[in-house]
Amino acid sequence: QKEVEQDPGPLSVPEGAIVSLNCTYSNSAFQYFMWYRQYSRKGPELLMYTYSSGNKEDGRFTAQVDKSSKYISLFIRDSQPSDSATYLCAMTRTGNQFYFGTGTSLTVIP
Amino acid sequence: GAGVSQSPSNKVTEKGKDVELRCDPISGHTALYWYRQSLGQGLEFLIYFQGNSAPDKSGLPSDRFSAERTGGSVSTLTIQRTQQEDSAVYLCASSITSVEQFFGPGTRLTVL
Repeated sequence: QKEVEQDPGPLSVPEGAIVSLNCTYSNSAFQYFMWYRQYSRKGPELLMYTYSSGNKEDGRFTAQVDKSSKYISLFIRDSQPSDSATYLCAMTRTGNQFYFGTGTSLTVIP
Repeated sequence: GAGVSQSPSNKVTEKGKDVELRCDPISGHTALYWYRQSLGQGLEFLIYFQGNSAPDKSGLPSDRFSAERTGGSVSTLTIQRTQQEDSAVYLCASSITSVEQFFGPGTRLTVL
């Protein structure tokens, strides 16, 4: 079993839609949970991170962590064509080793 | 300020040759990570440097892979006797918090 599972998609939505991206994980020791955005042929860019359970909001983006279910989500409100990218979840216990999902490819259609 | 830079951006080599990939982290970042990203795969952890501590090499896939970090700054990832399965994008990231990683653009390695 992989440490982190993420549906690869692809996901295609109309502009303005709410997007939900999710990951599940198996290691209950993970404490930090991150979401990265990666454009084609670029390195990943950190969107936001959350410590332990709870929600965190940053503009149109909301990250949720449910440690009891080992499930994390990223919501994108009012999606824009510029949000079209691959979204990677990642998690770590201590910051020594990070475990990444395979990424979900998102296309926002104008 | 300058972000993480990597060189070369693309490298094509023949099977059996050695390659060196370079990473220049953000100035002052004490942590440096190397990852490998293959098509359809997530980022695979390779090695982690933190300050002057011994590196965590637990992700290196074989003894053909090695990495150094000189003076706590620039890092070089070396792959000896390259194989076709080594073809991937090699990403470097640096961090000062050990949570917020800043990635470089990657080196796309193709082994013919």
